[in-house]
Amino acid sequence: NAGVTQTPKFQVLKTGQSMTLQCAQDMNHNSMYWYRQDPGMGLRLIYYSASEGTTDKGEVPNGYNVSRLNKREFSLRLESAAPSQTSVYFCASREGGTYTWETQYFGPGTRLLVL
Amino acid sequence: AQSVSQHNHHVILSEAASLELGCNYSYGGTVNLFWYVQYPGQHLQLLLKYFSGDPLVKGIKGFEAEFIKSKFSFNLRKPSVQWSDTAEYFCAVITTGGFKTIFGAGTRLFVKA
Repeated sequence: NAGVTQTPKFQVLKTGQSMTLQCAQDMNHNSMYWYRQDPGMGLRLIYYSASEGTTDKGEVPNGYNVSRLNKREFSLRLESAAPSQTSVYFCASREGGTYTWETQYFGPGTRLLVL
Repeated sequence: AQSVSQHNHHVILSEAASLELGCNYSYGGTVNLFWYVQYPGQHLQLLLKYFSGDPLVKGIKGFEAEFIKSKFSFNLRKPSVQWSDTAEYFCAVITTGGFKTIFGAGTRLFVKA
């Protein structure tokens, strides 16, 4: 099993450009998440999908959109990138069953630089 | 709103020293608590978690954490650190029945050989 995969690993954008970060998991998990990691601020939740067909905002959703394409895939889109979106983006998944003590499994991250 | 506070942002220790990283959360209801670790160049991975029962939880690599409900705390401990424990450590909380995990800001640990 590959676990959680993310593409691309690195990306440089100019202000105003758009891009989509891709995430896929092969663990048959119901719930998927997008976080951003900034120095001194830890991981902040951008959007999550509790199950296929549903998405909800997290702590910092402004400037982002998401699509839960199917059970495996959860993409994050920046419509008009801004320098404040320079960050490391992590996708994660968990089984999403009854028990909230389930472990989250993280992807390797995407480093995004917006100039 | 729920929040998680990690008191130490940077910790430097020598090998064989004891470690305690503080974590406090703000939520009055039932919670599940986690410590995740990110080794240099690697994914975040689970270190240990608490969901019920014995408040002293043991995890991988000799780490343990104690849930003290009255203090809203879940401190991480290790009696003797190794150079390989150099990493960033994140405390996290999820409310029972919830879908959103709230992470602390993280503590960067550097262990001198």
